[in-house]
Amino acid sequence: EAQVTQNPRYLITVTGKKLTVTCSQNMNHEYMSWYRQDPGLGLRQIYYSMNVEVTDKGDVPEGYKVSRKEKRNFPLILESPSPNQTSLYFCASSSTRSSLVGNEQFFGPGTRLTVL
Amino acid sequence: AQSVSQHNHHVILSEAASLELGCNYSYGGTVNLFWYVQYPGQHLQLLLKYFSGDPLVKGIKGFEAEFIKSKFSFNLRKPSVQWSDTAEYFCAVRSDYKLSFGAGTTVTVRA
Repeated sequence: EAQVTQNPRYLITVTGKKLTVTCSQNMNHEYMSWYRQDPGLGLRQIYYSMNVEVTDKGDVPEGYKVSRKEKRNFPLILESPSPNQTSLYFCASSSTRSSLVGNEQFFGPGTRLTVL
Repeated sequence: AQSVSQHNHHVILSEAASLELGCNYSYGGTVNLFWYVQYPGQHLQLLLKYFSGDPLVKGIKGFEAEFIKSKFSFNLRKPSVQWSDTAEYFCAVRSDYKLSFGAGTTVTVRA
């Protein structure tokens, strides 16, 4: 089954304790992205990756890091989490092949993070 | 930078009523347009998309949307809603490889 998986699904942590949220897709997609969803703000893009070893900042990259060492994985790293990073995080992937211009992004199930 | 504006924050309506959700974007170049739906406790799912051709696009579950380039709009419609359409709806605009979302509209359908 084609899917995007995220782990963990729920996480409660404390300020300053480094954490990683994993994201993996099995569709051989080149493009992957991280979003955070906050009430009244919709989804805002944190980082995206066009392909292996190619990443770029989205709209709200501060406080986050990413890496893309393998095509299927795109982990989100919070080096020193703060309470304002409490949010619902979604990973997404899509193909960038020219024949699929306008193709959709497939979203993972979400990770609800609480930073105390 | 592109931005997406959804006009309604929360819409409440009765079953069988018609639904229209507004979406406007600001970007002068070529865009792809999407509507996503998020049912309670679930992740986002694609309702429909537009990238070229007929500006009236039909999606799943009886939804449709019309792209009006001159108005920078991509409004979502459904002639007759059901209780199961209760969800949050997001308009999204993609240019190059950047996807921007509106703030979302919560739709509550009363039986």
